[in-house]
Amino acid sequence: AQKITQTQPGMFVQEKEAVTLDCTYDTSDPSYGLFWYKQPSSGEMIFLIYQGSYDQQNATEGRYSLNFQKARKSANLVISASQLGDSAMYFCAMREGGSLSGSARQLTFGSGTQLTVLP
Amino acid sequence: KAGVTQTPRYLIKTRGQQVTLSCSPISGHRSVSWYQQTPGQGLQFLFEYFSETQRNKGNFPGRFSGRQFSNSRSEMNVSTLELGDSALYLCASSLGATGSSYEQYFGPGTRLTVT
Repeated sequence: AQKITQTQPGMFVQEKEAVTLDCTYDTSDPSYGLFWYKQPSSGEMIFLIYQGSYDQQNATEGRYSLNFQKARKSANLVISASQLGDSAMYFCAMREGGSLSGSARQLTFGSGTQLTVLP
Repeated sequence: KAGVTQTPRYLIKTRGQQVTLSCSPISGHRSVSWYQQTPGQGLQFLFEYFSETQRNKGNFPGRFSGRQFSNSRSEMNVSTLELGDSALYLCASSLGATGSSYEQYFGPGTRLTVT
């Protein structure tokens, strides 16, 4: 089964509007972290926002916020006031692992959503 | 603080050759992970090194190997290159402490083309 599912291969949004990118995950580990990365055409993965499984509040970083619904296993990224520079591929990722130093720290990525911001 | 650096940025190799890619993590970061990104398979985890020890390995053949040096710099090697090895290889560094809360910072990647 897919651990991270991003159901929107492509999304369009008008400049200055808000957009929500969907992400659902699957894990039986009670301790996990959810991440969103942005990958522009240059290839570099840019860290945007992080949500821990035990965090009580939704994470926010500037124009980015994460709508974390634990019971539904959903971690959608909300970008407010879209800018032309937001056009990129967006990846949702999860890292499972408890408190042991030897636990896996690998990220499992979704297939990504290509966001295009229209002027 | 300087980010993650990867060298070379672009590489063209012939099938059957071998290649070595290099990654220098952010200063103070002790964990380095490698990922392969292809249009067909997406982003896949290769391996992770922490304090010169391989901590975790993805589902890749033994042709893919890596190592980490005492200064946390890491190299990955691919021997007997195949056409399917053409990909963007991304390196990520993190503090590497326990728990799942440490974000990974990625380098710009090395784009390998095998002909």
